Amino acid sequence: DQQVKQNSPSLSVQEGRISILNCDYTNSMFDYFLWYKKYPAEGPTFLISISSIKDKNEDGRFTVFLNKSAKHLSLHIVPSQPGDSAVYFCAATYHGSGNTGKLIFGQGTTLQVKP
Amino acid sequence: GAGVSQSPSNKVTEKGKDVELRCDPISGHTALYWYRQSLGQGLEFLIYFQGNSAPDKSGLPSDRFSAERTGGSVSTLTIQRTQQEDSAVYLCASSLFSSSYNEQFFGPGTRLTVL
Repeated sequence: DQQVKQNSPSLSVQEGRISILNCDYTNSMFDYFLWYKKYPAEGPTFLISISSIKDKNEDGRFTVFLNKSAKHLSLHIVPSQPGDSAVYFCAATYHGSGNTGKLIFGQGTTLQVKP
Repeated sequence: GAGVSQSPSNKVTEKGKDVELRCDPISGHTALYWYRQSLGQGLEFLIYFQGNSAPDKSGLPSDRFSAERTGGSVSTLTIQRTQQEDSAVYLCASSLFSSSYNEQFFGPGTRLTVL
């Protein structure tokens, strides 16, 4: 039962253009969403997050949008740079009773930004 | 180093052997998580430690998997009688507290190959 899904295994964009990575979830209890970035042979690093009380969060070139009714979130990178080439993981969690902070991850999307 | 470290970085073992994977979290971090990433899959939660206790072991796939944490610091994940389906990258993460609002910092992972 895949509660968090990233349906696009890969994405290729030109440097300077926008990259849009998508993520869908099924569990209505999720109230906090995160994006992690992973380079080969390294652990994932936190990129940006959004609480379910918001529909947008922006940090520099990175913006995350949340559409709760559609159970969909997206990460926008503008402008894309070659150093953004990595695997991007969407993750979700909730703050109910007994929450441990564990994250539920999607399968990841490999982004390639071409110079 | 200030980050999460894991050892070994790579482990090749024969089916049926036991393996131990080690995680050194960031000093002072009370929460520790183990995840694994199988080929083509997202990160899958295995177990969570708060201090030395493990209140959430729900992700351990079978009783061949166990983990412990000593001194509120180092953790070891043990897989007994390894099977080929155990082949994956095992990732450890730590955070200051167990709330998901606290960023989880990941180690580089241990790539386990079971022949």
